[in-house]
Amino acid sequence: DGGITQSPKYLFRKEGQNVTLSCEQNLNHDAMYWYRQDPGQGLRLIYYSQIVNDFQKGDIAEGYSVSREKKESFPLTVTSAQKNPTAFYLCASSIIRAGGRQETQYFGPGTRLLVL
Amino acid sequence: AQSVAQPEDQVNVAEGNPLTVKCTYSVSGNPYLFWYVQYPNRGLQFLLKYITGDNLVKGSYGFEAEFNKSQTSFHLKKPSALVSDSALYFCAVREADRGSTLGRLYFGRGTQLTVWP
Repeated sequence: DGGITQSPKYLFRKEGQNVTLSCEQNLNHDAMYWYRQDPGQGLRLIYYSQIVNDFQKGDIAEGYSVSREKKESFPLTVTSAQKNPTAFYLCASSIIRAGGRQETQYFGPGTRLLVL
Repeated sequence: AQSVAQPEDQVNVAEGNPLTVKCTYSVSGNPYLFWYVQYPNRGLQFLLKYITGDNLVKGSYGFEAEFNKSQTSFHLKKPSALVSDSALYFCAVREADRGSTLGRLYFGRGTQLTVWP
C-alpha cells in the first residue's frame, strides 16, 4: 500500500446522504485515480486526474464527484444520485514522466462503503 | 477497444506445484501489461509489468509472466506455489502512451488462486 492512505476503512451511508472518501498520497505522484470494485467485475474507473485542478470522467462517473485542489489529495464524494453505492473503493496514483509517459499505478488499502 | 480476459474465475493448485494464471488482452497498439495481487479487504499490490524487451518478466515473490504477442497473452506463472500465494490476481492492460494522452488501465475480472497445503 506504500504511501497512499484511504480513510475511513469502512463507511456507512444513509439513503439520500452524500459521503466523502479520502485519498492522500505522499509519493509526489502526478496522477490519481478512483476505482470501484464489485465482486466478479474487476475494477472500474470512476474518475482520474493528471494534474491539480483538472480531472476526467472514467467509465462510471455518474453519481460521483471529485476534486483535486492539492497534488497529494483526491477525495471522492458519493452523492445521493448513486443508487447502488455499496462497493469497495480503491484509490491509486502514478508518476507521469516527461512527454506524458505514465508509470505504474500503486493502490491504497481501500474503503468499503455500505448502505444502511 | 482495449480489454482483458481472465478465462478462469478460480485456479486451485497443491503447494509445491507450478501455477499458471491466464490472461489474454486486446489493444489497438503496443500493450503495456501488468499483474496485481489482492489479499482480502486490501488494496492491489503490484507484482510485475511488461513494457518492452524480454518476453519473460520477473516480478515480486518469485512470480514471472511471459508476454506472447502472437497469442496476445500474458500468463502469470510460479514454479512452486505456496499456501501464502492464495489471493485474487488481476491482469491489466494499457495501450502504449501516445503523446500527452494518459493511457488508462483496463482490468480483467480477476482470478482467485487457492493453494492447498
